[in-house]
Parts: sequence; C-alpha cells; structure tokens
Amino acid sequence: QSALTQPASVSGSPGQSITISCAGTSSDIGGYNYVSWYQQHPGKAPKLMIYDVSNRPSGVSNRFSGSKSGNTASLTISGLQAEDEADYYCSSYRSSSPNYVFGTGTKVTVL
Amino acid sequence: EVQLVQSGAEVKKPGESLKISCKGSGYSFTSYWIGWVRQMPGKGLEWMGIIYPGDSDTKYSPSFQGQVTMSADKSISTAYLQWSSLKASDTAMYYCARRDSAWQNWGQGTLVTVSS
Repeated sequence: QSALTQPASVSGSPGQSITISCAGTSSDIGGYNYVSWYQQHPGKAPKLMIYDVSNRPSGVSNRFSGSKSGNTASLTISGLQAEDEADYYCSSYRSSSPNYVFGTGTKVTVL
Repeated sequence: EVQLVQSGAEVKKPGESLKISCKGSGYSFTSYWIGWVRQMPGKGLEWMGIIYPGDSDTKYSPSFQGQVTMSADKSISTAYLQWSSLKASDTAMYYCARRDSAWQNWGQGTLVTVSS
C-alpha cells in the first residue's frame, strides 16, 4: 500500500508563499474530493488544517489554502510565518482498506 | 468539547503483550470512526486501521493485518489497540483520531518502547 508522494522539504522566507504538492492516483486523490492536510510540530499530535480539498476548519488561519488538479493535491501557505515551520502531511480517501492513506510528509522551513 | 485521551507511555520487552487505549468524550462515541496511526521515530504517519465503535466494523491496512487488533468498548467510550507479541520494530508513537469532516480530533499519542 504505497503512500502519496510529497517533496521532502520546502522552504521560504517570512512573508513569502510556498506550495506543497501531494501526488496520488485515480484510486485516491483523483477519484475523491476527500483530501486533507495536517500540520505536525515536533513532539505534538497532528492538527487538521484543510479538509475536503479546500475547506478550513474553524480556527485555522486563512493563510492556508488547498486545491486539487487531477491526481495531485496542493497546500499553499501564504504570508509565511515562523510558527508555520513544521511537518505537513496530506491524506486522501482510498478505495482499498483501510480507506485512508497519508503522504510521505514535507518539512517546511522558514528561512 | 471533543477530546480523545490516550493511555500513558509503555516500556515492554520483545514477546510481551500490550493493549493501549483511547477514551473519547464530548461526543457520541458510537457514531464516528476512530483511526489508529503509527509514527516510528523520525518517520512519517502511517494509517494502521479504522474502527466504527457503533458496530465494531474494522478495516486494517494490509501492513498491519494480523499484527495488531483493534477493538472498542461502547460502555466506556474507549477504543483499544493491542499486540499479542511485541517486536522491537513496534517501537513508535501511536495516535488515535476521530473522523468528523476529516480526521478532526487527535489523541495526545502513546509512546510504546520495545527493548530487551
């Protein structure tokens, strides 16, 4: 059961925008609008940032946005801030059990 | 307020058994899927499987099928993850999560260390 593919690292300066990609297949990202993104700071539990491709939960900054094209989803962080430095994981519904898969994870560094 | 509270850190020897827990509160425990996620030291997140406490419907990732058992006790709003014979490679942080619109709520994690 292969994970979704993310770049290992992305970096940007404060105030810049960065985009993290998440590549899947027609059996997961391409087939369903159930892509979500999670932020994880060191030693902490993951936090939901985006769900159903582009929806933000209450309390999440509008600097975070999500999109999808074909079999690839993307997370964009605009106005990058020091507190955004963390690991980010995408996740998608998948037709095979257990019906969910994570991406490989991306470390975001704020320069 | 929705909360998932996991049991504390465990240190075990290879071959020992273990059952860790995840107690839900602030919502209808039987109405939402609970998922279990493994994070090995310095590595990414992996879905182990999901369970629906309402009827104990369970789906395992092929990588974990036969290696762990997920269960739930509706009477005390608690989900469980258990091993019958631990290996050193089971050393990891284990998280439970509740699915609402997505995996909205997470437990604080249970660190399992398996060492002789």
